[in-house]
Amino acid sequence: DIQMTQSPSSLSASVGDRVTITCRASQSISSYLNWYQQRPGKAPKLLIFAASSWQSGVPSRFSGSGSGTDFTLTISSLQPEDFATYYCQQSYGNPYTFGQGTKLEIK
Amino acid sequence: EVQLVQSGVEVKKPGESLKISCKASGYSFTNYWIGWVRQMPGKGLEWMGIIYPGDSDSRYSPSFQGQVTISADKSITTAYLQWSSLKASDTAMYYCARWRGDGYYFYFDSWGQGTLVTVSS
Repeated sequence: DIQMTQSPSSLSASVGDRVTITCRASQSISSYLNWYQQRPGKAPKLLIFAASSWQSGVPSRFSGSGSGTDFTLTISSLQPEDFATYYCQQSYGNPYTFGQGTKLEIK
Repeated sequence: EVQLVQSGVEVKKPGESLKISCKASGYSFTNYWIGWVRQMPGKGLEWMGIIYPGDSDSRYSPSFQGQVTISADKSITTAYLQWSSLKASDTAMYYCARWRGDGYYFYFDSWGQGTLVTVSS
């Protein structure tokens, strides 16, 4: 299985901050990388697919980058609704594993 | 609008069987994969498997192969996840989601609301 490791596991930030979450794959996955947001008690929501492509309706303050083994999700200016847990997922090979999650909390 | 509506909360005993459902609407059910994701209490997301309702082709994570069965009934646009003998460790929230792609890049683009399964004696 391809292992996906996110860092940090948790992060405290303030409204308006710029935040970056990192995801590392245990082998090269080209650009087969998705990002999801999960608010407490809710289903996950797709933000980014193919490493850097926005899902329809996702605000432009979210951006993704990277290829190979190292990827980042950046939120350019945190809004109150962005405090949630973020997951990366590789879609290179079965099983299509998720990272362990990064919980973004209000400072 | 794509909608996935899952069946309700389940409370079962170890050893019992269970089948939970995911009713799809707003798109051509037979033309997209649909999958299941497990989230154990306080934990992260785990990809379980997917099915293509058009021909019932299914793919499982090795961790879940033989532990669950994924099926679909295209006549009622519904996907299912079932267990023949539940264990306490099956206690979790289960999400269905549409697995969409262009042939290269795939992703879960629409999600159900989740079905909470509790297994306890």
